[in-house]
Amino acid sequence: LAKTTQPISMDSYEGQEVNITCSHNNIATNDYITWYQQFPSQGPRFIIQGYKTKVTNEVASLFIPADRKSSTLSLPRVSLSDTAVYYCLVGVRRNTGKLIFGQGTTLQVKP
Amino acid sequence: DAGVTQSPTHLIKTRGQQVTLRCSPKSGHDTVSWYQQALGQGPQFIFQYYEEEERQRGNFPDRFSGHQFPNYSSELNVNALLLGDSALYLCASSYGVASYEQYFGPGTRLTVT
Repeated sequence: LAKTTQPISMDSYEGQEVNITCSHNNIATNDYITWYQQFPSQGPRFIIQGYKTKVTNEVASLFIPADRKSSTLSLPRVSLSDTAVYYCLVGVRRNTGKLIFGQGTTLQVKP
Repeated sequence: DAGVTQSPTHLIKTRGQQVTLRCSPKSGHDTVSWYQQALGQGPQFIFQYYEEEERQRGNFPDRFSGHQFPNYSSELNVNALLLGDSALYLCASSYGVASYEQYFGPGTRLTVT
């Protein structure tokens, strides 16, 4: 499975756009990139998944360059409630649904 | 529509004891996976159940076992508890074994003393 590298922590202020980059140099051709969010005292929650270029939903956007060796999760106009840990997952095992989590990025949004 | 529910919320056990944790999947889901999350770490996959059988297992000893019932609910059993088993145990459900979009419960916080 491709190893992922994310910043351990990030700080932001309310109303700002936050970009969290994940490096995955050894991504395989058939690997998808998936992001989960985890609030304190809760289980992780699926945010978004993509394969290439750009994916957008009501929560976030995911930007994936042509070489797919990295990806960027973009959160528009964050609020205090976006304070959470964000996990980048690559290579969710097909036919098993086994999720491999790293340490994630702790995002702290300040007023 | 109820999401994934887990019980109990918190549990305190003594080393060497046994514990059973329970999970009810989201309505319409047939697959349950269990994860262990130590403080400050990401969740680690324990195993997955589908059609009442263990389909995939992570790097956990045989002290960790599970069961899935005909109504898709599941139990996680841990025998001979160690201090290192103290963690948040998360249950996730999905439709089908290959789903990347899994719905997690709030977890059971297990403390072993």
